[in-house]
Amino acid sequence: DTEVTQTPKHLVMGMTNKKSLKCEQHMGHRAMYWYKQKAKKPPELMFVYSYEKLSINESVPSRFSPECPNSSLLNLHLHALQPEDSALYLCASSPGFWTAGPEAFFGQGTRLTVV
Amino acid sequence: AQSVTQPDIHITVSEGASLELRCNYSYGATPYLFWYVQSPGQGLQLLLKYFSGDTLVQGIKGFEAEFKRSQSSFNLRKPSVHWSDAAEYFCAVGADRGSTLGRLYFGRGTQLTVWP
Repeated sequence: DTEVTQTPKHLVMGMTNKKSLKCEQHMGHRAMYWYKQKAKKPPELMFVYSYEKLSINESVPSRFSPECPNSSLLNLHLHALQPEDSALYLCASSPGFWTAGPEAFFGQGTRLTVV
Repeated sequence: AQSVTQPDIHITVSEGASLELRCNYSYGATPYLFWYVQSPGQGLQLLLKYFSGDTLVQGIKGFEAEFKRSQSSFNLRKPSVHWSDAAEYFCAVGADRGSTLGRLYFGRGTQLTVWP
């Protein structure tokens, strides 16, 4: 299995809703990432988990809450989002920084629309 | 500080023509370099990577890239473009140390259009 799987593929939520994005990989990778991508822009890093510990938080607003329950799973909990948070949210994983550097494998993304 | 420059926002080529997408980087040490491709509404697919060794690297879908340290460049090439290559291409440099360990710094992307 060489995939990073993200669910759901599409999500529409109201500004008062609570929802979660899920990401799963079974490649034995030890680093996992969340990126946010707006149209016609490169991905912007949000969070990095290394060995299930949060190692980078790019000053992301607290309405985004990441969680790494185990080495294969990464969640992004969403609460009280704003319309400007609408974007493609990408999950990625990498084998481990000391074996293959920051080479990242990306999922297909969740298209989030906040109404 | 690490950064990546892709000087061409949009490139148009005819099917069958050769292609070169430019990428320049700024990094204090030997960089990890990547090219990714993204089709509309999709995730990013890794085309190729450079960590060390041979400066000409081969990737998937017939792409290759050459690392030139003296020019801080990592240009992507393909000898004959297919219509299915139309997509957004991102060059990225990866950090391998310190507080930025694990980060990928992306260029702004180059949109490739292929004429039939």
